[in-house]
Amino acid sequence: GNSVTQMEGPVTLSEEAFLTINCTYTATGYPSLFWYVQYPGEGLQLLLKATKADDKGSNKGFEATYRKETTSFHLEKGSVQVSDSAVYFCALGLHTGTASKLTFGTGTRLQVTL
Amino acid sequence: EAQVTQNPRYLITVTGKKLTVTCSQNMNHEYMSWYRQDPGLGLRQIYYSMNVEVTDKGDVPEGYKVSRKEKRNFPLILESPSPNQTSLYFCASSLYGTQENEQFFGPGTRLTVL
Repeated sequence: GNSVTQMEGPVTLSEEAFLTINCTYTATGYPSLFWYVQYPGEGLQLLLKATKADDKGSNKGFEATYRKETTSFHLEKGSVQVSDSAVYFCALGLHTGTASKLTFGTGTRLQVTL
Repeated sequence: EAQVTQNPRYLITVTGKKLTVTCSQNMNHEYMSWYRQDPGLGLRQIYYSMNVEVTDKGDVPEGYKVSRKEKRNFPLILESPSPNQTSLYFCASSLYGTQENEQFFGPGTRLTVL
């Protein structure tokens, strides 16, 4: 079946540090890949996405590249801020049967300190 | 404002007492879905709906029912809640049920079943 594996947290960084959150996937087919972010007490919101191999998604200084050869979609940011503290979910979307389905990783909590 | 709303946001109930969590979206989206979020498990899909009167099971449908009588509403029904249904529930919608579409999430409903 389809699955997403992302690094366990929490990840604790100082402000302005470089961030990488690893994400790898297993899928039967050619999925779309997403990063969603969940701020405390809120629902998930899309951070960025990529729909085919070698696409780079980017938003708010975050970026991730769809690497088919390594089945990965690692999230990076050059300089994190305290306001980036949240839980980050990697997900794949794949059409199977009658509908598309989003499969999520377990989430990685990021805490950024001053 | 384009949004997905859920009610109630918090609910404490007792085993066996039927409850309904409402979900409504104002974006004219065809696709709607319910997820539950549990620590260490990420988000798992309960049910989804491709359009009015079309619903189907997700990964963890046992103990839940849904209906889609109108495009904007997708209530989640627990006929006889049990403690293992204590969780954080999210409703989501997207324009179509295709794999590249972003899903928009509601703020969540935290349910405790005693």
